[in-house]
Amino acid sequence: DGGITQSPKYLFRKEGQNVTLSCEQNLNHDAMYWYRQDPGQGLRLIYYSQIVNDFQKGDIAEGYSVSREKKESFPLTVTSAQKNPTAFYLCASSTPGVAGYNEQFFGPGTRLTVL
Amino acid sequence: DQQVKQNSPSLSVQEGRISILNCDYTNSMFDYFLWYKKYPAEGPTFLISISSIKDKNEDGRFTVFLNKSAKHLSLHIVPSQPGDSAVYFCAASNKLIIQGAQKLVFGQGTRLTINP
Repeated sequence: DGGITQSPKYLFRKEGQNVTLSCEQNLNHDAMYWYRQDPGQGLRLIYYSQIVNDFQKGDIAEGYSVSREKKESFPLTVTSAQKNPTAFYLCASSTPGVAGYNEQFFGPGTRLTVL
Repeated sequence: DQQVKQNSPSLSVQEGRISILNCDYTNSMFDYFLWYKKYPAEGPTFLISISSIKDKNEDGRFTVFLNKSAKHLSLHIVPSQPGDSAVYFCAASNKLIIQGAQKLVFGQGTRLTINP
């Protein structure tokens, strides 16, 4: 049963602490992504990775870091430098289709609340 | 600069009728468009997509129309069912931006409510 798992579903942290969000996929997809969703807004790209050991900044990368040591894993660290970390975080993965286009498959998300 | 816009935050439709969700974009380089459905506290689920070489794509009750000259796309759901109540996001991409990975730009979403 292939898919994307994110853990935990809810996460609470004190202000000033770093926190790492987990994302694992068993779809054998090469590309993985992290998005952030805020109320009333669309999804905004934080980081993406095309292959293992490679990743690129998205539109709102400041205050975040990632690693891609394994194809199936793409953890996101929310650092204390992120000014407004409370949000719903979504991980996604994709693989190129026949025409080069592809849809992204999303995990269930992690809601991070910084107190 | 909002490159993809969904100007209607919410839409209410009676069960059995047609739901029409709209999306506008500004970047003429976008050549692939997708619609996602999202329930609260869950990840988005892919619904349907269309490339710029087409003006219509149909999948069951869902049809997406693309008007390139107007930079406008719409999602039609017919007939609408109670389970269709969710937030719908349109997204756009240009496959030339990134090879392999694909950067999607999302609209703000439209909350669709189907009334019995």
